[in-house]
Amino acid sequence: QKEVEQNSGPLSVPEGAIASLNCTYSDRGSQSFFWYRQYSGKSPELIMSIYSNGDKEDGRFTAQLNKASQYVSLLIRDSQPSDSATYLCAVTSYGGATNKLIFGTGTLLAVQP
Amino acid sequence: GAGVSQSPSNKVTEKGKDVELRCDPISGHTALYWYRQSLGQGLEFLIYFQGNSAPDKSGLPSDRFSAERTGGSVSTLTIQRTQQEDSAVYLCASSFRAGRGFSYEQYFGPGTRLTVT
Repeated sequence: QKEVEQNSGPLSVPEGAIASLNCTYSDRGSQSFFWYRQYSGKSPELIMSIYSNGDKEDGRFTAQLNKASQYVSLLIRDSQPSDSATYLCAVTSYGGATNKLIFGTGTLLAVQP
Repeated sequence: GAGVSQSPSNKVTEKGKDVELRCDPISGHTALYWYRQSLGQGLEFLIYFQGNSAPDKSGLPSDRFSAERTGGSVSTLTIQRTQQEDSAVYLCASSFRAGRGFSYEQYFGPGTRLTVT
């Protein structure tokens, strides 16, 4: 079974701090990597996409990908209480014609004012 | 621009009834996905459409579930003879294109919350 693993948390950080969210995946053939934010009772909202090794920055968010280590992370700088949500790591499943996303179970982030 | 839309937002049905859930993807997106999320659970892939290719139905949990996509746009997910374990939020996502293990960004609709009583 191809898997995506995340620490379920909760990860508690003070307002203004850096939140670091981590994810490992098992499928070496995966080519597309995404971070979604999901508020309670809402659908997932795309935060970041990353396709090649290294860092990708967008505002307060930085995604990091290391395919050799099968590791992807999300850094949130200057964390705000409004960032409190569940963060889902998603990875494409490689093989044949399928292009589904495999999701981790999510990390609950709590930003304390 | 307009995002992915889904209808209805909520559906309550009796066990044994059939239900249809609709998804309208982002204009120009050729790939369309259905997922479901049960209470407290992760997202589970159901089915994937890419253009006019045969759909990937590998995630459908039983033959009571089917889906179609008409004209390469709107999709309908049908659940026949609903069971209580079908209760979940059904989510539709679309992306510009996907193939061979690669996908452009997938954007989700608001979901349909299905409750089977």
